Amino acid sequence: QSVLTQPPSVSAAPGQKVTISCSGSSSNIGNNYVSWYQQLPGTAPKLLIYDNNKRPSGIPDRFSGSKSGTSATLGITGLQTGDEADYYCGTWDSSLSAERWVFGGGTKLTVL
Amino acid sequence: EVQLVESGGGLVKPGGSLRLSCAASGFTFSSYSMNWVRQAPGKGLEWVSSISSSSSYIYYADSVKGRFTISRDNAKNSLYLQMNSLRAEDTAVYYCAGESRGKFDYWGQGTLVTVSS
Repeated sequence: QSVLTQPPSVSAAPGQKVTISCSGSSSNIGNNYVSWYQQLPGTAPKLLIYDNNKRPSGIPDRFSGSKSGTSATLGITGLQTGDEADYYCGTWDSSLSAERWVFGGGTKLTVL
Repeated sequence: EVQLVESGGGLVKPGGSLRLSCAASGFTFSSYSMNWVRQAPGKGLEWVSSISSSSSYIYYADSVKGRFTISRDNAKNSLYLQMNSLRAEDTAVYYCAGESRGKFDYWGQGTLVTVSS
């Protein structure tokens, strides 16, 4: 059971838009920046979005991020078959019992 | 070009030990916090441990606390993970990841650890 909750899968047709949600709590998303990672099949994760909504250089503006309260959302527009991957949200979690990094369970994107 | 190259994975029996290494190049290693993140077969990412740039701050996931030890050598641009009392549930690909300002900027290609009798 992951600390951050993501839908297991989403799908959409090429050219369409999809959103992936990430739900947490005040000890993590509510008080820290969220980052998103893309993991293509058989490869290591790659930073996609950081500080809730910033894109590293080289990441196209088809990818966007937002945060509201204790939830975050990744948006992908103009879907391409090459976007088929697993997507993970991540953030720091700080509570009375522990300080740790936490990830969502991951969302598998299928481009139909 | 940034490179993180993990090594040291392999097959080990339950209760055994293994030491993972991660060699870094292409960025200022001593300025980054470093982490180990693992991924069990067919599962999601699980953060394992973090060490600050000067080794002043070290954190562990509850699942490995007391069994794993993270360390680094900034003179050698290297990160380590000593894993003791290994269990079947520790079987995973272990990634080293460089972190700055709340994001994992850099990831290695991973090394597979299999715990089985």
